[in-house]
Amino acid sequence: QTVVTQEPSLTVSPGGTVTLTCASSTGAVTSGYYPNWFQQKPGQAPRALIYSTSNKHSWTPARFSGSLLGGKAALTLSGVQPEDEAEYYCLLYYGGVWVFGGGTKLTVL
Amino acid sequence: QVQLQESGPGLVKPSQTLSLTCTVSGGSLSNGDHYWSWIRQSPGKGREWIGYSRYSGSTYYNPSLKSRVTISVDTSKNQFSLNLSSVTAADTAVYYCARYSGSSRWFDPWGQGTLVTVSS
Repeated sequence: QTVVTQEPSLTVSPGGTVTLTCASSTGAVTSGYYPNWFQQKPGQAPRALIYSTSNKHSWTPARFSGSLLGGKAALTLSGVQPEDEAEYYCLLYYGGVWVFGGGTKLTVL
Repeated sequence: QVQLQESGPGLVKPSQTLSLTCTVSGGSLSNGDHYWSWIRQSPGKGREWIGYSRYSGSTYYNPSLKSRVTISVDTSKNQFSLNLSSVTAADTAVYYCARYSGSSRWFDPWGQGTLVTVSS
């Protein structure tokens, strides 16, 4: 069974930079896994941030960026704002099946 | 702006069929690039992609659920639906509908989600 692993929780100070990662149990994550990143706040619908590794939606703030880093998909937030406190989760494509990561709870403190 | 809204029973008995509908407003289900998706989130299993369907009838399901799932699209009603048969307590989850772009590989927007509890 394929497992996608994210950091369970991270804490960052306002204005700081933080990188969330998304690892695959099958090996290195490549662009062929079409990594997607989502943000979800309590009581709200998930919101797409990044697709196909590094592409932003029109509504994605410039401080969010996606990349591949050390065999993992990565989401970097630069100049973190208090409103960025949320759960972030990744999604990877395994040739016909999409698999979600467990999510990272980001605290801005 | 496209919006999605899930609806259906919040309580289903074990062994019965879970049926949900997603109503799409602000857009058409007939766009050939779009697939209409279902995803669920449960405390025990986290988030799980269930599957998606195009208006033409092409469907793709998670192999772990394939034997029990049917997703269908009704363009006349601007709705798509999920049927999950032979449910157990393990199928208790918040169910989300979402639009998927086949060419760009993104999922957006999503509905707010609806909690379905499987219990007698």
